[in-house]
Amino acid sequence: GNSVTQMEGPVTLSEEAFLTINCTYTATGYPSLFWYVQYPGEGLQLLLKATKADDKGSNKGFEATYRKETTSFHLEKGSVQVSDSAVYFCALRDSNSGYALNFGKGTSLLVTP
Amino acid sequence: EPEVTQTPSHQVTQMGQEVILRCVPISNHLYFYWYRQILGQKVEFLVSFYNNEISEKSEIFDDQFSVERPDGSNFTLKIRSTKLEDSAMYFCASSGEGGTSNYGYTFGSGTRLTVV
Repeated sequence: GNSVTQMEGPVTLSEEAFLTINCTYTATGYPSLFWYVQYPGEGLQLLLKATKADDKGSNKGFEATYRKETTSFHLEKGSVQVSDSAVYFCALRDSNSGYALNFGKGTSLLVTP
Repeated sequence: EPEVTQTPSHQVTQMGQEVILRCVPISNHLYFYWYRQILGQKVEFLVSFYNNEISEKSEIFDDQFSVERPDGSNFTLKIRSTKLEDSAMYFCASSGEGGTSNYGYTFGSGTRLTVV
């Protein structure tokens, strides 16, 4: 079946530090991959996506590359800000499994000044 | 920017009671979804709805759950007889063409259901 595994949090970083949140997946078909972000008290917002191998999604300074050979979609940002503090969810949608999103457990990020 | 609106933001109910969670999806979206997140666990798919019928559902979505689009704007999730383990954050979402919108789904802020 399909599954998404994210690194355990919480992750605490100082402002301007480099961020990596690891995400690996298993899928039976050809998945699209997503990162969602949830700021405190808000809903899930799409951060970035990639629909095929070697695609790079990017938004707001965040990037993730769809690596089929390692079944990974790690989220990176070169210099985090306090406003990036949130919970980050990796997710996949498998073409063989309809339109449902399969989420990871989420990784909480706290950025301190 | 269009939003998905969920009400209430927090609901407390007694075990065995029926509860209805309400959502107003984005007006021109065609697909509607419910997900839930039990505290400390991952976000789980419950059901998707298209053209006034369920298009997919997970094994979590058993007979005690039902969905409805009663009036063309609201999308509701009903839990007939709540159990303690139904306590979770419930997210509604909507999307354009078959969930393949280039921008993914739009999620609501969630309803926190607490069953006591």
